[in-house]
Amino acid sequence: DAGVIQSPRHEVTEMGQEVTLRCKPISGHNSLFWYRQTMMRGLELLIYFNNNVPIDDSGMPEDRFSAKMPNASFSTLKIQPSEPRDSAVYFCASSFPSGSYEQYFGPGTRLTVT
Amino acid sequence: AQSVTQPDIHITVSEGASLELRCNYSYGATPYLFWYVQSPGQGLQLLLKYFSGDTLVQGIKGFEAEFKRSQSSFNLRKPSVHWSDAAEYFCAVGPPSGGSYIPTFGRGTSLIVHP
Repeated sequence: DAGVIQSPRHEVTEMGQEVTLRCKPISGHNSLFWYRQTMMRGLELLIYFNNNVPIDDSGMPEDRFSAKMPNASFSTLKIQPSEPRDSAVYFCASSFPSGSYEQYFGPGTRLTVT
Repeated sequence: AQSVTQPDIHITVSEGASLELRCNYSYGATPYLFWYVQSPGQGLQLLLKYFSGDTLVQGIKGFEAEFKRSQSSFNLRKPSVHWSDAAEYFCAVGPPSGGSYIPTFGRGTSLIVHP
């Protein structure tokens, strides 16, 4: 298996623009997590899906952030409009909820908003 | 609520020296415990995990960790560090089966290896 795939790996955009980050989880995994990592705040969970359904989005910072999982093999995280403080590395992770809670992380998308 | 503390932000060791990274957790019962490693520019990779049984667990890359219930700790060790071990290390705790699926991560410890 290729592991969790994220695209793009790097994104540079101007403030006010829409940004869409993409994630393909490992086949057979039915839990998907979006995290944000910054120096100041560390690794923050933004939202968690189970069987394509959002279970916990309490970590989504504000209404500018939205996430979807239209099917078991694809998820998006959208920021509209983007702001400089959104600059961070965004990780997608997937797991199979066998009770192990072991997560498999993608390589991340480094977002820079100027 | 569960929490994880990694008291050391940075650790510097010489290549070939032994290593111990500290992790303390707070939870009402015995949780699932994990150590992940993040190399520069990469995502997190699982090193090892503890669910139950033998309190000394072996992981990949020569790492091991010991669960000590009395100290609420799950420290990561390696007898001889290699330069390629320089990375960020994260301890994480997840509740036992039946609870939330969301693990809690510590803030991480950055390992610097001197030649």
